Amino acid sequence: GAVVSQHPSWVICKSGTSVKIECRSLDFQATTMFWYRQFPKQSLMLMATSNEGSKATYEQGVEKDKFLINHASLTLSTLTVTSAHPEDSSFYICSALNPGLMNTEAFFGQGTRLTVV
Amino acid sequence: RKEVEQDPGPFNVPEGATVAFNCTYSNSASQSFFWYRQDCRKEPKLLMSVYSSGNEDGRFTAQLNRASQYISLLIRDSKLSDSATYLCVVNINNDMRFGAGTRLTVKP
Repeated sequence: GAVVSQHPSWVICKSGTSVKIECRSLDFQATTMFWYRQFPKQSLMLMATSNEGSKATYEQGVEKDKFLINHASLTLSTLTVTSAHPEDSSFYICSALNPGLMNTEAFFGQGTRLTVV
Repeated sequence: RKEVEQDPGPFNVPEGATVAFNCTYSNSASQSFFWYRQDCRKEPKLLMSVYSSGNEDGRFTAQLNRASQYISLLIRDSKLSDSATYLCVVNINNDMRFGAGTRLTVKP
């Protein structure tokens, strides 16, 4: 069964509104979660690394004020796309590592397909 | 230079063919290695870990060459259901870095 749950799986929103995506680790406490974005027929692009209890680390070119990340608990990280525009339409995926196991694989959420109209 | 580089693909092969994917990584401190599979519009899923001694899982064989910083995946007797994008992933102190992926299409 899934060890990382992402919600919602898809969302359609109007331009200018904000959308929140949740990523939960179900079987372990994830001190670190990762947020990715994937455009059609392109590779996964790391947006930011979410650290529990501290500020997220954003990759170059990712606007931290537009993509708000909150990792307030050891099992939940949220990504809020603020003032969404059609160019933000994409597939957003989170992943988490089990900190109790070094160098293990990452577990992915099911992804969220965002469409901004 | 990208941290993780893969064959760009796409690979279009007939059923039953053997196909090999290659991946190189730049950070010698990389500690663990994986191949993931991603189907269209789905999240990546772990296919197999890659060990220094090489490992096999059915039709899939993965190999790691730390000296050359090179990882490979071999798929034998390919099936239609093997069509997907294959991602090479490197873990550096719990920082996961992904290759761009290689798209495979197996045709009847």
